[in-house]
Amino acid sequence: AAGVIQSPRHLIKEKRETATLKCYPIPRHDTVYWYQQGPGQDPQFLISFYEKMQSDKGSIPDRFSAQQFSDYHSELNMSSLELGDSALYFCASSLGRGGEADTQYFGPGTRLTVL
Amino acid sequence: GEDVEQSLFLSVREGDSSVINCTYTDSSSTYLYWYKQEPGAGLQLLTYIFSNMDMKQDQRLTVLLNKKDKHLSLRIADTQTGDSAIYFCAEQSSGSARQLTFGSGTQLTVLP
Repeated sequence: AAGVIQSPRHLIKEKRETATLKCYPIPRHDTVYWYQQGPGQDPQFLISFYEKMQSDKGSIPDRFSAQQFSDYHSELNMSSLELGDSALYFCASSLGRGGEADTQYFGPGTRLTVL
Repeated sequence: GEDVEQSLFLSVREGDSSVINCTYTDSSSTYLYWYKQEPGAGLQLLTYIFSNMDMKQDQRLTVLLNKKDKHLSLRIADTQTGDSAIYFCAEQSSGSARQLTFGSGTQLTVLP
């Protein structure tokens, strides 16, 4: 079965640079979530989209922005990168219809390293 | 606010049962999940339980939910070395956004 696709899988950036992470949800899934997992920590919710509209924001810095496109893929844009942004960034998708349809399936993650 | 807690480490012998515990605080959570994460890998959905259930079994996995105590457990029968990983429980927000709040994760080590 098709899974969530994230690209790139690894990314190395310098401080103050920008980065763009991409997420392609499971086909027919219209809801996308972004999470950040720091070293040795649990994933923290950043932002989510349902039907191309932002549905909720978590602990996402103002330096980050995201959007969901007409084909339901999503991009997380990160500017003025800081050392503390080094983490695994996960995208998850769901059907977004309530109940079991809200079960989130995660992609393999993008490992961002900021030097 | 929501807070999910787990013990950090668990070691078991191969072939024994493992029980990973989790407590949560959001009594309005509708679904509770268990995810598995191997080193450097993504989050693999293992199983989930609806809040009006008290038990769910799926092959070697048994989930028990005590809603009164807000306690969730995952039992893995006949634990194998391939089960060594970090196990996260997560509660789903009862709001419209449905984001997950994760516990700190339990590192399961299976000894031969």
